[in-house]
Amino acid sequence: AQSVTQLDSHVSVSEGTPVLLRCNYSSSYSPSLFWYVQHPNKGLQLLLKYTSAATLVKGINGFEAEFKKSETSFHLTKPSAHMSDAAEYFCVVSDAGNMLTFGGGTRLMVKP
Amino acid sequence: NAGVTQTPKFQVLKTGQSMTLQCAQDMNHNSMYWYRQDPGMGLRLIYYSASEGTTDKGEVPNGYNVSRLNKREFSLRLESAAPSQTSVYFCASSGPRTAVSYEQYFGPGTRLTVT
Repeated sequence: AQSVTQLDSHVSVSEGTPVLLRCNYSSSYSPSLFWYVQHPNKGLQLLLKYTSAATLVKGINGFEAEFKKSETSFHLTKPSAHMSDAAEYFCVVSDAGNMLTFGGGTRLMVKP
Repeated sequence: NAGVTQTPKFQVLKTGQSMTLQCAQDMNHNSMYWYRQDPGMGLRLIYYSASEGTTDKGEVPNGYNVSRLNKREFSLRLESAAPSQTSVYFCASSGPRTAVSYEQYFGPGTRLTVT
């Protein structure tokens, strides 16, 4: 069985400061991991994915995530937050087939 | 290339009414999915279809039925709506896992309220 825990339901940062959204996963298989972003009243957009290649994954809009097997973590970071980054972020795991398991989401707020 | 489209965008039903949510994709994907999104719970899989002609239950199938009409279309039906089915519904599609990118692509969602 697979599961995902997003450690913070809400994160608030000031514009121009770093972003850290934390994600831990559990999987009995070699997992694939994803981060999706959802802007208000919109669908989900893929930010980045890890599929057993490089452990540091770069995504769109300056986001990146590092897969750490020993810590079962896949935290999302960005060096400098922008107002347009305000959204809900989902960490997602897939360990077989195409089935995805979603974390509960982290709402990122960016203050001017 | 519209990706994944869903209709309607919004719907209000009374308890006991029925309705069908429509989903279509133009990416020639084999697999399609229906999720519901509730606050603090992420997305939960209702039903999926790994290929045309097959459907399987996901995590929360009770109260729903699906039809994979053809490769492009996958509909979700609520036979007798209940207030607990108030949610945002997302359809998604994906290519085969062996493809270079097999992530799921999501539609814009249907916001359903059952009173």
